Amino acid sequence: EAQVTQNPRYLITVTGKKLTVTCSQNMNHEYMSWYRQDPGLGLRQIYYSMNVEVTDKGDVPEGYKVSRKEKRNFPLILESPSPNQTSLYFCASRVDGYNEQFFGPGTRLTVL
Amino acid sequence: GENVEQHPSTLSVQEGDSAVIKCTYSDSASNYFPWYKQELGKGPQLIIDIRSNVGEKKDQRIAVTLNKTAKHFSLHITETQPEDSAVYFCAASGAGGTSYGKLTFGQGTILTVHP
Repeated sequence: EAQVTQNPRYLITVTGKKLTVTCSQNMNHEYMSWYRQDPGLGLRQIYYSMNVEVTDKGDVPEGYKVSRKEKRNFPLILESPSPNQTSLYFCASRVDGYNEQFFGPGTRLTVL
Repeated sequence: GENVEQHPSTLSVQEGDSAVIKCTYSDSASNYFPWYKQELGKGPQLIIDIRSNVGEKKDQRIAVTLNKTAKHFSLHITETQPEDSAVYFCAASGAGGTSYGKLTFGQGTILTVHP
């Protein structure tokens, strides 16, 4: 089944404790992206990647890092999480040259 | 950059009624306008989209209209059913360069269809 997977789905952590949210897609998509969803703000792009080893900032990149060492994986790294990063996170992917993006199921992160 | 405004934030209708959600965008260069449906506990899923060279598109009970001059687009759901209850997001996407494929989302609309 063609899909985007994220792990973990739920995470509660404390301020300053480094964490990684994994994202993987099995559709051979070149483009991958991370969004955060907050009430009243919709989804905002954090980082995106056009292909392996090519990443760039989205609209709200502060406090986040990403890497793209393999085409299928695009992990989101929070090196020192803070409470304002409590949010619902989505990974998405698409074929280069096409607009439709496919979203993962989401990761709900709480930083205490 | 692009800015997308979506209204209303919540919408409550009776089963069988129609529902309309409206969005405006700021960047006249945007040329792709998708609508996503997000059910509880799931990621957004594309339900319909429209490109700037088309004024209207229909898919069964769902339709989207686009007014490029006014820079607004709308989602129309007819004969609503309880399973239409969800959060709906509009988005706009740039035409080229680093803007290509970058989705800017509206704030979302919580649609509730009462049986």
